[in-house]
Amino acid sequence: DQQVKQNSPSLSVQEGRISILNCDYTNSMFDYFLWYKKYPAEGPTFLISISSIKDKNEDGRFTVFLNKSAKHLSLHIVPSQPGDSAVYFCAASGGATNKLIFGTGTLLAVQP
Amino acid sequence: NAGVMQNPRHLVRRRGQEARLRCSPMKGHSHVYWYRQLPEEGLKFMVYLQKENIIDESGMPKERFSAEFPKEGPSILRIQQVVRGDSAAYFCASSPPMYTGGDTEAFFGQGTRLTVV
Repeated sequence: DQQVKQNSPSLSVQEGRISILNCDYTNSMFDYFLWYKKYPAEGPTFLISISSIKDKNEDGRFTVFLNKSAKHLSLHIVPSQPGDSAVYFCAASGGATNKLIFGTGTLLAVQP
Repeated sequence: NAGVMQNPRHLVRRRGQEARLRCSPMKGHSHVYWYRQLPEEGLKFMVYLQKENIIDESGMPKERFSAEFPKEGPSILRIQQVVRGDSAAYFCASSPPMYTGGDTEAFFGQGTRLTVV
């Protein structure tokens, strides 16, 4: 039962353009959504989060949009840079224990 | 600025041996989470601990796996009688008290890569 899904295993974008990474979820009880970035052989690094009561959160080049009715969120990176090349994980949390439920990740490649 | 420390970074065990993975949370953090990442998959929650207490172990396999977070010292994830299917990257994350999901993010260590031969 995959509660958080990232249907695109990979994405390739030109430097300077927008990267849009998508994530769908099935559990309407999730109350926070987070994006993590991961380089090979390293642990995930937090990027940005959004509460379920909001529909947008912005931090520099990163913006997360949440569409609760569609149970969909997306991460926009503008402008994309080669250093953004990594695997991006969408995660959701909710309930008493705060455990994170992760998607399977999207490998972003930003071409110079 | 010491982050979450995991050791060893790499661990090789023969089938049937025991594996012990250690995690020292960030200073001031009293909550520890263990996650496992199998090849080509996302991170899967295993267990959530506070000092001397297991809060949620719903992701732990029923046999051979155990976890502890003693009053003093690191959190330990222990895998007894390892099998090839246990080969994975094991990540630990810590958070401060009063962590409520997205209020503050959980900080991850660099992981331990377990290889069972």
